[in-house]
Amino acid sequence: EQLVQSGGGLVKPGGSLRLSCVGSGFIFTNAWMSWVRQAPGKGLEWIGRIKSMNDGGATDDIEAVRGRFIISRDDSKSTVFLQMSGLKIEDTGVYYCASGLVGLDVWGQGTTVTVSS
Amino acid sequence: FILTQPHSVSESPGKTVTISCTRSSGNIASKYVQWYQHRPGSPPITVIEEDDQRPSWVPDRFSGSIDPSSNSASLSISGLMPEDEADYYCQSYDSKSVIIGGGTKLTV
Repeated sequence: EQLVQSGGGLVKPGGSLRLSCVGSGFIFTNAWMSWVRQAPGKGLEWIGRIKSMNDGGATDDIEAVRGRFIISRDDSKSTVFLQMSGLKIEDTGVYYCASGLVGLDVWGQGTTVTVSS
Repeated sequence: FILTQPHSVSESPGKTVTISCTRSSGNIASKYVQWYQHRPGSPPITVIEEDDQRPSWVPDRFSGSIDPSSNSASLSISGLMPEDEADYYCQSYDSKSVIIGGGTKLTV
């Protein structure tokens, strides 16, 4: 079971970025996929998830990113996306994708997002 | 609800340490609690799942429990080794979100 992330980088405040996360070694269509971030010097913060299509495919997220971040999935490519717009300096950090229904069982390697002018 | 952990704990090699995770509201036993070990530069890994279940790759020095009387979960690590030094996070969930504790830095 593996999750491989791509995307990330340096972006100016107000800019946009898309992160991708490809799953392998498990039945991706059944997976609930989450995104978790860690700001510099801070703890892990769950920011949102997308349920499996079998469970309705709905998304949940935290207030801090609502309306700016969109989580989507393409099961044909075993990929989950985090589309980030209206980025703020406080969105800087390492972003992880993770799969799991109850817990976060499998984690991606993480990708760094830096929001700076 | 939120999950509250001590900011840091410290213990000597070979000793046992216990990290607590207190749920602010609702019953700790109502939803499973997981524990993750997070070392710098690597993704977190699960060391305890479903309150007290240890994945096959985790040594039996790691154990988890819940205590409804204090509405908390605990992670215990016995026979501490230098490589146990890391940040540890508890995690639970509700119908709309995943909740992660603030993390505890373990110094061995």
